[in-house]
Amino acid sequence: DQQVKQNSPSLSVQEGRISILNCDYTNSMFDYFLWYKKYPAEGPTFLISISSIKDKNEDGRFTVFLNKSAKHLSLHIVPSQPGDSAVYFCALMDSNYQLIWGAGTKLIIKP
Amino acid sequence: GAGVSQSPRYKVAKRGQDVALRCDPISGHVSLFWYQQALGQGPEFLTYFQNEAQLDKSGLPSDRFFAERPEGSVSTLKIQRTQQEDSAVYLCASSLEGTINQPQHFGDGTRLSIL
Repeated sequence: DQQVKQNSPSLSVQEGRISILNCDYTNSMFDYFLWYKKYPAEGPTFLISISSIKDKNEDGRFTVFLNKSAKHLSLHIVPSQPGDSAVYFCALMDSNYQLIWGAGTKLIIKP
Repeated sequence: GAGVSQSPRYKVAKRGQDVALRCDPISGHVSLFWYQQALGQGPEFLTYFQNEAQLDKSGLPSDRFFAERPEGSVSTLKIQRTQQEDSAVYLCASSLEGTINQPQHFGDGTRLSIL
């Protein structure tokens, strides 16, 4: 049974608009939540994170929201740019420092 | 370089051969992690080092998989008697300290293909 789910395999967004990527989890024991971006043939690149004591963290065009009661995490990118086209993974850190990953969402930014 | 470096980038081996994958973490990073990523999926945890100590190897799929980090910096993941199901991308990550709330920074991975 998957602990972390990204239910949208792909998402297409017009350049300049907002991209919203979603992630749901089942285990309430996670303490630290991260988003990574991945280009083909490269490793995941860390984007932004949030700890369980917060509900929002912002870094430039990227904002991560955490709703602990709903066990839901989201990443907002605004405005979306062509270089944002990539696969986005949410990853949750457990108490053993292991990252538990979603399957990823492929974001396509249309010009 | 400033990032995590992995070598080789690509490795092709015949079933039954042994392979060794190398990871150079970011200088000064205490923690080092190995993950396995199958096509179309997120990475799955294999093992974790803090300095030279292997603190968690619960994700290693069998006793054919062995990892070491003898001097607390470079790490090697060894797979003995490779099988076709070992084909995957092997990712290495490092983080500054072995504590919660530290992001892990990844290398570009080694793509292993077993024929």
